Amino acid sequence: AQTVTQSQPEMSVQEAETVTLSCTYDTSESDYYLFWYKQPPSRQMILVIRQEAYKQQNATENRFSVNFQKAAKSFSLKISDSQLGDAAMYFCAYRTFNTDKLIFGTGTRLQVFP
Amino acid sequence: DGGITQSPKYLFRKEGQNVTLSCEQNLNHDAMYWYRQDPGQGLRLIYYSQIVNDFQKGDIAEGYSVSREKKESFPLTVTSAQKNPTAFYLCASSITGTVNSPLHFGNGTRLTVT
Repeated sequence: AQTVTQSQPEMSVQEAETVTLSCTYDTSESDYYLFWYKQPPSRQMILVIRQEAYKQQNATENRFSVNFQKAAKSFSLKISDSQLGDAAMYFCAYRTFNTDKLIFGTGTRLQVFP
Repeated sequence: DGGITQSPKYLFRKEGQNVTLSCEQNLNHDAMYWYRQDPGQGLRLIYYSQIVNDFQKGDIAEGYSVSREKKESFPLTVTSAQKNPTAFYLCASSITGTVNSPLHFGNGTRLTVT
């Protein structure tokens, strides 16, 4: 079965500090895409960053970067210089070439303290 | 502006009644999806459609039905057979056949059944 595991239900970080959210997945596919989505209190789902599985270079989007370890099937999200507006639920997800389905993890709630 | 519109934002129904959630998109996307979100369970796929007049069951299709008569529209009916219908429902769309294409989400519908 294809699954995504986020083992941290809640995390907290102080403003301006760095935090890492973990994600592991299980798939038999060799080619796929990985995503991190953010869901603020408004409940709108916002794409944060995406990573191609066949690319070794870790994706970066401004203060957001990933640590992609394909052999370990790990895809963690690092948020640098955390801001109050980063407080949200964060979902890890992946999608394979064989299906159009996006499979989500259970999410990590991130709190940011001033 | 292109986007996905879900209506209504809040929906209340009595137990035993069927209810239909609306989802319309003007992004010209072929693929559309319905997800259910419950606390602590992330997003679970109910149904998805990759093309007009065709759709597939997701992981939790029991008690739900969909139709895809138009490219722009993908309504979800929550039937009386769904045992726990109270939840937050998210509709999404994406380009078909490009696994790196992210899903674009609507703002969701909160359904409460009493």
